[in-house]
Order: sequence, then structure tokens, then C-alpha cells
Amino acid sequence: GQSLEQPSEVTAVEGAIVQINCTYQTSGFYGLSWYQQHDGGAPTFLSYNALDGLEETGRFSSFLSRSDSYGYLLLQELQMKDSASYFCAVWGYSGAGSYQLTFGKGTKLSVIP
Amino acid sequence: GAVVSQHPSWVICKSGTSVKIECRSLDFQATTMFWYRQFPKQSLMLMATSNEGSKATYEQGVEKDKFLINHASLTLSTLTVTSAHPEDSSFYICSATLAGGSHEQYFGPGTRLTVT
Repeated sequence: GQSLEQPSEVTAVEGAIVQINCTYQTSGFYGLSWYQQHDGGAPTFLSYNALDGLEETGRFSSFLSRSDSYGYLLLQELQMKDSASYFCAVWGYSGAGSYQLTFGKGTKLSVIP
Repeated sequence: GAVVSQHPSWVICKSGTSVKIECRSLDFQATTMFWYRQFPKQSLMLMATSNEGSKATYEQGVEKDKFLINHASLTLSTLTVTSAHPEDSSFYICSATLAGGSHEQYFGPGTRLTVT
């Protein structure tokens, strides 16, 4: 099975940088994804890392270390609209030629003026 | 591109009735769709994986006779909550992946079910 750990809440100031960490345990690991979810809305895809290293997409970057079973999401130049829940999710092999996504419990990010 | 829709967005039903939720991929074909359930302030929990033309694969603890899934075409999967009870009240979200093994999941907007 899969399990993921991430902080439950983070607060940061507008314009600052925040890092949300995620550690995981899984069998048949394929990759690590990050999703953003605003209250009442559906998750939206942010990033996917299959290989070690940093992937940058605008203000958001995501990092993966497969040997450490660890990744993080880095948000720069924080804006008020970034206040949301952020989920790390692991793609793992679920048997019978299938794979599935398992979500962490989410980190609620509050951006304050 | 890669838009997923769900219908209805919100449904209120009486205990004991059945509710059908539709999930459609609007501009792509989805051989695999996933159904999740999310309770307030909690994470998304995978309920089942729906493959076009075959039986859905249910996660442990999910009653297949209660949550009926039909993936009749490459653009439509339906989830029917049978004999709904108040504890089934939740946010149900579907997602789909592009054919070809993409690891990006496209989520529908979700359906909020309230059972009275």
C-alpha cells in the first residue's frame, strides 16, 4: 500500500516563499504529483515528478528525491489567491497492470497580507 | 483541452433513494476514469477505478453493490449510489487520464451529495 505525510497547515506572508514537504512510503513507485484545491472546488494538477530533481513551472516548483522517498512543493512570490489546500499524491502500481494515485491528507496554506 | 464534466453539481435526496452521477470527458477519450470521495476537510479517497468496457475495480472497504459504476463509453462513466443514507453525504469527484499512459489526472468539478 501507500502512505504519505505532509504538514496539515502552513501560514505564510504575501510575497514570501513557502515549501510544503511530503514523505511517502509505497510499493511500485512511479512518480509524485501535486494538486491544488480551493474550498468547495475540485483538485487541479500542478506538477508531476518521476525523476530526481527540481521541476519549475512559473512560480511553482516541485522536487523529488526517490532515494529519500521525499518531495516538496515550492511556491514563490505568494499571492492571496494561493490560499488553498495542497495535496501530494503518489502514483503507485496497484496490480494487474494498473496504477493508481493515492493522495496525502493535504496541507492547508493560508497566505496573509 | 482535457476537460472533465460532472452532472449534477449538487444533489439532495431522501434516504433510501438512488442517485446517479455522470462523469464525462468532453474533448478526449478516457480509457480509465477514477471515482473519489472527499469528506469535509479530508483528503480524496479513491473509491474505484473504472475501465471502459470492463468491470470497475473497487478499493477495499467500498461496497460494489452500493456504489455501482458503469463505464459504457470512452467519454462517460457513471456512479450510482444505491439506497443512499445520510452517511453517504459527501463530495464525489471523478477524474480521467488521457489514453497513452499520461500521469496527469484531469478532475471533474465534483458532485456534492446530501442525503436527508
